[in-house]
Amino acid sequence: GQNIDQPTEMTATEGAIVQINCTYQTSGFNGLFWYQQHAGEAPTFLSYNVLDGLEEKGRFSSFLSRSKGYSYLLLKELQMKDSASYLCAVLNDYKLSFGAGTTVTVRA
Amino acid sequence: EAGVAQSPRYKIIEKRQSVAFWCNPISGHATLYWYQQILGQGPKLLIQFQNNGVVDDSQLPKDRFSAERLKGVDSTLKIQPAKLEDSAVYLCASSSGIITDTQYFGPGTRLTVL
Repeated sequence: GQNIDQPTEMTATEGAIVQINCTYQTSGFNGLFWYQQHAGEAPTFLSYNVLDGLEEKGRFSSFLSRSKGYSYLLLKELQMKDSASYLCAVLNDYKLSFGAGTTVTVRA
Repeated sequence: EAGVAQSPRYKIIEKRQSVAFWCNPISGHATLYWYQQILGQGPKLLIQFQNNGVVDDSQLPKDRFSAERLKGVDSTLKIQPAKLEDSAVYLCASSSGIITDTQYFGPGTRLTVL
């Protein structure tokens, strides 16, 4: 089975940094995805990690440690438009399993 | 490049009625997925097609849900009869067919069963 855990909610101030942690226990591993989902909209792809280490893409970075079953998504220079749910998803063989998502609220 | 298209965007039905959702994937994408997303949860895979063949339907409630992908392009997901607990957003996604390729999601259909 798959077990993917991430915090339910986080709040941060505009311009600040927020780190969303994701831990997973899965029977197999072919990579980890992060998606952003605004309320009432479809998930949109943010990042993909398959090797250990940090992947940086503009204001967003994602880190993976396969030995620890751990990933985080780092959001820098927060903007109001970053208020959304962030979904951690583990790819096992051909199947993507999602966590419940972390709702990030950015306050002015 | 056009994204994944879905219709309708919203649907309200009474329990025991039938409903169907339609999805048109990104052109050239061999793999198509249907997910169910209940409020406050992450998407759950219902069924995955590779071209017009089923790869995984282990979490599809087959007594009431069915899906097809004729000609390996468009797909329809049907619920008959609907139950209250089927109220959710039904998301369609597609990818190129390579295992590690990104899945791109459509806008979803929000189903409310009364």
